[in-house]
Amino acid sequence: DGGITQSPKYLFRKEGQNVTLSCEQNLNHDAMYWYRQDPGQGLRLIYYSQIVNDFQKGDIAEGYSVSREKKESFPLTVTSAQKNPTAFYLCASTGGAGGRIANQPQHFGDGTRLSIL
Amino acid sequence: AQTVTQSQPEMSVQEAETVTLSCTYDTSENNYYLFWYKQPPSRQMILVIRQEAYKQQNATENRFSVNFQKAAKSFSLKISDSQLGDTAMYFCAFMKPLSGGYQKVTFGTGTKLQVIP
Repeated sequence: DGGITQSPKYLFRKEGQNVTLSCEQNLNHDAMYWYRQDPGQGLRLIYYSQIVNDFQKGDIAEGYSVSREKKESFPLTVTSAQKNPTAFYLCASTGGAGGRIANQPQHFGDGTRLSIL
Repeated sequence: AQTVTQSQPEMSVQEAETVTLSCTYDTSENNYYLFWYKQPPSRQMILVIRQEAYKQQNATENRFSVNFQKAAKSFSLKISDSQLGDTAMYFCAFMKPLSGGYQKVTFGTGTKLQVIP
């Protein structure tokens, strides 16, 4: 079955440490997204990528970095510059026939919960 | 910038009853899409229903239907014959397709629905 796999499910970060969250999809989707979810708030966009080797900052990109070397993979690194990283992180993707992805709904992974030790 | 407002942080409904979740949004756009996503305790975001703004007919998916009032910028979700498995956070989302295949999605803060046996 096609889908989006996020790993690990739970992750702990020490002070001053960078950690990387994995997101892999086998849906053949071009566009991928990273969101942060905090209690009582909606999802906020961190980064997005429309194609391989291209990505753009979202609304809350500070303290995060991404790469898109393969179509299937869009890892998110939470750097030590992100002072409040404790949150639930969701990866999503979008695809459509003939490249018409702009009006298609996003499909989500199961998420990664990041906490500070 | 678009805003999405879900004014009911929490709601409850008896099993087999009907419940309506409200959502309002603010936009000056004409071409957009609206979604309701469900996030059960497992935390995976699941698409419930989708509405294209250019369609006057309200979308329905089995027990789920929407009341889309474009002029009032209102997009409520009605769940009929509520089941225990409907217990979840429900997010309303506004999506604007942009050039180049990108889409900008704005999420509401969610409504926590509890179905009572």
